[in-house]
Amino acid sequence: AQSVTQLGSHVSVSEGALVLLRCNYSSSVPPYLFWYVQYPNQGLQLLLKYTSAATLVKGINGFEAEFKKSETSFHLTKPSAHMSDAAEYFCAVSYTGNQFYFGTGTSLTVIP
Amino acid sequence: EAGVAQSPRYKIIEKRQSVAFWCNPISGHATLYWYQQILGQGPKLLIQFQNNGVVDDSQLPKDRFSAERLKGVDSTLKIQPAKLEDSAVYLCASSLGRGTGITSTNTEAFFGQGTRLTVV
Repeated sequence: AQSVTQLGSHVSVSEGALVLLRCNYSSSVPPYLFWYVQYPNQGLQLLLKYTSAATLVKGINGFEAEFKKSETSFHLTKPSAHMSDAAEYFCAVSYTGNQFYFGTGTSLTVIP
Repeated sequence: EAGVAQSPRYKIIEKRQSVAFWCNPISGHATLYWYQQILGQGPKLLIQFQNNGVVDDSQLPKDRFSAERLKGVDSTLKIQPAKLEDSAVYLCASSLGRGTGITSTNTEAFFGQGTRLTVV
């Protein structure tokens, strides 16, 4: 079955520190991959997406992710965390380009 | 461009009652999704429409949940009767969704703010 695994349901970083949120997919066929962010009481907002073009994808708010086929990973990073980055982050996968399956999410806390 | 609109934002009902949620997708988006997001979990696809036809409803509890998308635009999701475990945020999303596979023009889903349902 198509799926993504997000390692770490809670991640805490200090303000200004590197943010690393992990996502692995389970398929031999490279899928489309997405990172979404969800702020409290809000819907999901797309941060970035991989659609088989460049393996290093840059998104909004300084986030980027690298697709690594050999590791079946699509980890999300940001060099310097801001307080406003505190939110829930979801990795999602699509194989048809038309159906999306989400991971269980990682809650990011930024410590002042 | 207007986003995906959902109403109501919040709903509290007693178990065994009925409830309906409404979604208006982004204009021109052929595909509409309903997701259920239980607290602390990722969104789970309930049903997916392509225009007014159902593409996938494999995870929809059909004994109590129903959804329709008349005329291929707005959609309603109904729960009748509600159970305590139905307490969740119900998210509607839409995408361009023309076709599937390598010819698909759809590579992003846009989400509404969701409806938070509490069943007591």
